Amino acid sequence: DGGITQSPKYLFRKEGQNVTLSCEQNLNHDAMYWYRQDPGQGLRLIYYSQIVNDFQKGDIAEGYSVSREKKESFPLTVTSAQKNPTAFYLCASQGLSSGNTIYFGEGSWLTVV
Amino acid sequence: QQQVKQSPQSLIVQKGGISIINCAYENTAFDYFPWYQQFPGKGPALLIAIRPDVSEKKEGRFTISFNKSAKQFSLHIMDSQPGDSATYFCAASWDGTASKLTFGTGTRLQVTL
Repeated sequence: DGGITQSPKYLFRKEGQNVTLSCEQNLNHDAMYWYRQDPGQGLRLIYYSQIVNDFQKGDIAEGYSVSREKKESFPLTVTSAQKNPTAFYLCASQGLSSGNTIYFGEGSWLTVV
Repeated sequence: QQQVKQSPQSLIVQKGGISIINCAYENTAFDYFPWYQQFPGKGPALLIAIRPDVSEKKEGRFTISFNKSAKQFSLHIMDSQPGDSATYFCAASWDGTASKLTFGTGTRLQVTL
């Protein structure tokens, strides 16, 4: 089935540790995105990538890093520099075939303990 | 700077009633206005979208009304059902190969029996 796969679904991190969230898509989409969602708030853009080996900061990039070595993969690293990392993280993708439609993965819950 | 303002924050509607969610935007360059539906623990899914060349778009029980001069658009859910209980996000973007969506803060809809 075509879609976006995020893993893990749930992740616990100790303070001071870096963690990496995986995002893989088999939709052949060029653009990929990472959003953060906090309770009662909308989705805020962390990073996005339009093509392989290129990415741009979104509205809340501080404390996060990404890479785009392959078209289908866009992992997000939450570093220890991120002050409030506990949140629901959503990966999304968009392609020429989908027009403006952005498709989301199932999300990953990150909790700092 | 919040470019898309959404209201109400939460909404309770009886089964069979009409649910109405409103959004207002600031950036006149926006030309694509989707609504996303999100169930708890899941990623958002595209529900319906509109472009400013039409004032209304209907898909089943879901209708988007668009007022370009007022820079407002709204989602109407007719004959609301308990299965419609979810969080709804409006969003806006401008056309492009990898356009970024700006999201509203979400409306939590509960449809009661």
